[in-house]
Amino acid sequence: SAVISQKPSRDICQRGTSLTIQCQVDSQVTMMFWYRQQPGQSLTLIATANQGSEATYESGFVIDKFPISRPNLTFSTLTVSNMSPEDSSIYLCSVESGSDTEAFFGQGTRLTVV
Amino acid sequence: ILNVEQSPQSLHVQEGDSTNFTCSFPSSNFYALHWYRWETAKSPEALFVMTLNGDEKKKGRISATLNTKEGYSYLYIKGSQPEDSATYLCAFWGYAGKSTFGDGTTLTVKP
Repeated sequence: SAVISQKPSRDICQRGTSLTIQCQVDSQVTMMFWYRQQPGQSLTLIATANQGSEATYESGFVIDKFPISRPNLTFSTLTVSNMSPEDSSIYLCSVESGSDTEAFFGQGTRLTVV
Repeated sequence: ILNVEQSPQSLHVQEGDSTNFTCSFPSSNFYALHWYRWETAKSPEALFVMTLNGDEKKKGRISATLNTKEGYSYLYIKGSQPEDSATYLCAFWGYAGKSTFGDGTTLTVKP
């Protein structure tokens, strides 16, 4: 199993500003995942963050809007840049256990953009 | 785009009622199906990881079945309690190595 500490847990931000979300894992993991859940919708994968290489973004998500850092095997950040009200969502980071793909999640960041 | 659907979208039951909900997913390229419970202000918590057709798994009052040939999984809760109130998510894993989540079923159990 893995324990993930994610912060901030919530924030209210002005449009046009940026917010950086941090995730710290209690063990070394190869891949970390960032998800978004917009109101009334399913969890959607934003990108996969690998240590030592650029993140891999899913269709509809770009690095300029969601830059990701992965400086080591236990830490990652996601920045939501130039925010608009449409970015109001819950953002989650996640890691997987060994072979059974069970995922462990951070507590989530509830972002409201006004 | 993979289609993973959960029904119903929401469910309100009385304490003590038993309930079940459905996750439907593509029947091809199946690798695993996960169920998660997501309580407000907490992390989603893994309930079951199901990989074999015909799998039945149980954890306390909660159980799940899997039919990969027809592409569905059922989650059952026996004797619902208020602490079972949460959103229940299923996630489909194909061999491409990426998960697709359903929209979730939000369960409210009234005392």
